[in-house]
Amino acid sequence: EAQVTQNPRYLITVTGKKLTVTCSQNMNHEYMSWYRQDPGLGLRQIYYSMNVEVTDKGDVPEGYKVSRKEKRNFPLILESPSPNQTSLYFCASSPYRDREPYGYTFGSGTRLTVV
Amino acid sequence: GDSVTQMEGPVTLSEEAFLTINCTYTATGYPSLFWYVQYPGEGLQLLLKATKADDKGSNKGFEATYRKETTSFHLEKGSVQVSDSAVYFCALKTNAGKSTFGDGTTLTVKP
Repeated sequence: EAQVTQNPRYLITVTGKKLTVTCSQNMNHEYMSWYRQDPGLGLRQIYYSMNVEVTDKGDVPEGYKVSRKEKRNFPLILESPSPNQTSLYFCASSPYRDREPYGYTFGSGTRLTVV
Repeated sequence: GDSVTQMEGPVTLSEEAFLTINCTYTATGYPSLFWYVQYPGEGLQLLLKATKADDKGSNKGFEATYRKETTSFHLEKGSVQVSDSAVYFCALKTNAGKSTFGDGTTLTVKP
């Protein structure tokens, strides 16, 4: 089944403790992206990647890191989480060929709470 | 920068009513436009898209037309069902790959 898999689904952590949220897709998509969803603010793009070793900042990159060493994986790293990073996070992927505007396939989300 | 503005919700309709959710955008260049739907506890799913002016996207009875002159992409459905209750997001995507989403509109359909 074609899908984007995020882990974990739920995570409670303490301020300052480094964490990684994994994202993997099995559709050979070039493009991957991370979003956070907060009440009243919709989805905001954190980082995106158009291919291996190519990443760019979205609208809210502060406090996050990403890497794209393999095409299928795009982990989101919080080096020193803070309570304002408590949110619902989504990973998404799409093809990116010939500049065609493909829609995204989204993961099921990771609900992160930082205390 | 780019932006997407959706009509504020929540929207409550009776079954078989007509649905319109307004969406307008600002962007440089010629973005592609999308509607996504999010059911409770799930990720977003692509509902429909349009890639250029006057294109009409359609899926599952929903339609939206890319109107460049009014920079709009309003979502419509002629007869909603209880199963259409969800949050709907309008979004644009530029050729450079950057996406911008609206804040979402919650739709509740009552039997």
